Amino acid sequence: AIQLTQSPASLSASVGDRVNITCRPSQDIGSDLAWYQQKSGEPPKLLIYDASSLYSGVPSRFSGSGSGTDFTLTITSLQPEDFATYFCQQFEGRTTFGGGTKVE
Amino acid sequence: QVQLVQSGGEVKTPGSSVKVSCRTSGGTFGKYVIHWVRQAPGQGLEWLGGIIGFADTAYYAENFRGRVTITTDESLTTAFMELSSLRSDDTAVYFCARDAVAEYFYYMDIWGKGTTVVVSS
Repeated sequence: AIQLTQSPASLSASVGDRVNITCRPSQDIGSDLAWYQQKSGEPPKLLIYDASSLYSGVPSRFSGSGSGTDFTLTITSLQPEDFATYFCQQFEGRTTFGGGTKVE
Repeated sequence: QVQLVQSGGEVKTPGSSVKVSCRTSGGTFGKYVIHWVRQAPGQGLEWLGGIIGFADTAYYAENFRGRVTITTDESLTTAFMELSSLRSDDTAVYFCARDAVAEYFYYMDIWGKGTTVVVSS
């Protein structure tokens, strides 16, 4: 199975900060990567698909980049509602998820 | 507006089985993959498998092959996930989620609210 290594596992940030979260697959997955946001007690919400495409309704401060074995989720100006846990997911092979990054 | 409605929480004993349902309302059922994803308390997301609504064939994660069975009842627009030989570490919230792209196993844009399964003696 393709392993996804997310970093950092947690980070401390303030409103207005630029935040970068990294996801590194154990093998080349092209652009077959998605990013999700999850708040406590809720299901995940899709933010980014195909590595860099913004899902409908997601604010433009969220962006995704990368391909192959190195991907990044960027939040350009952190808002209060963005404090949450973020997961990457690969769908090149049978789906796997990264371990998550808690933004606090 | 498509919604996924999951069955209620369950408490099971070790060694037993649990079957969770996920009904699609307000949209097309047959063409889309329904995924099952679980989340243990305080942990990350784990994919169990998925099935296309109209298909007889499900695909499973290696870790769960032989212990999980995913089926559909197209007339009920419902998918089911059955997990057998339950252990305490199967205690988790089980989510169903619909794939965003018809007939493919890609990414998930519509999620159920989750079903809590507790395994305890």
